[in-house]
Amino acid sequence: DVALTQSPLSLFVTPGETASISCRSNQSLLFTYGHNYLDWYLQKPGQSPQRLIYLASRRASGVPEKFTGGESGGETGTEFTLTISRVEAEDVGVYYCMQGLQIPSFGRGTKLQIK
Amino acid sequence: QLQLVQSGAEVKKPGSSVKVSCRASEGTFSNNAISWVRQAPGQGLEWVGAIIPIYGTTHYARKFRGSVTITTDRPRTVAYMEVSSLKSEDTAVYYCARGKGQRDGNNDYFFYDLNIWGQGTTVIVSS
Repeated sequence: DVALTQSPLSLFVTPGETASISCRSNQSLLFTYGHNYLDWYLQKPGQSPQRLIYLASRRASGVPEKFTGGESGGETGTEFTLTISRVEAEDVGVYYCMQGLQIPSFGRGTKLQIK
Repeated sequence: QLQLVQSGAEVKKPGSSVKVSCRASEGTFSNNAISWVRQAPGQGLEWVGAIIPIYGTTHYARKFRGSVTITTDRPRTVAYMEVSSLKSEDTAVYYCARGKGQRDGNNDYFFYDLNIWGQGTTVIVSS
């Protein structure tokens, strides 16, 4: 089974600074059609999750440009990063990566809080 | 804009079953996959399973095979998730989510872009 390791699990960020979250897979998520099957979701307090990034780097419609997803080196298709620029109070919540090969699974989540 | 509207909270006894519904507010699920994701109290997200109506296929996480059944109605406007033999550990908020489900030439399936989520249904299993 594909396992995802997210880090850090907790993040305190000063408003206006940049935050980065890592998601590592124990196998390549690069598969058919040349896609990396890795998404990022944000669950704000008391809300349902919402999608931010899909197929590793595609920003969903309506998602601010401050959210950027991509690969971060290492073995192809195994290391991914979500970068949040100019962090503000409304970015608070838990960020999850999710892999979509055959049987999807989520990372443990990264809780972002404001300093 | 399409919304997914889920059925209300349930309180069940251990050993019983629960069936949660997820209705499209307008139109149908079209060619999308419907995933079910659960979240135990204070815990993270856990993918339970999915149905891809256009392929007529269902997919389940290993731990839920045999205890969870996902279906849709024929017009593809309502999806259902039934959990049988409930245990206290099944106490959670259950979400449905519309997303993409693809199949390649090798019959490998891929899921991504869970773009619309339901409001969640709380299921409490308690004696």
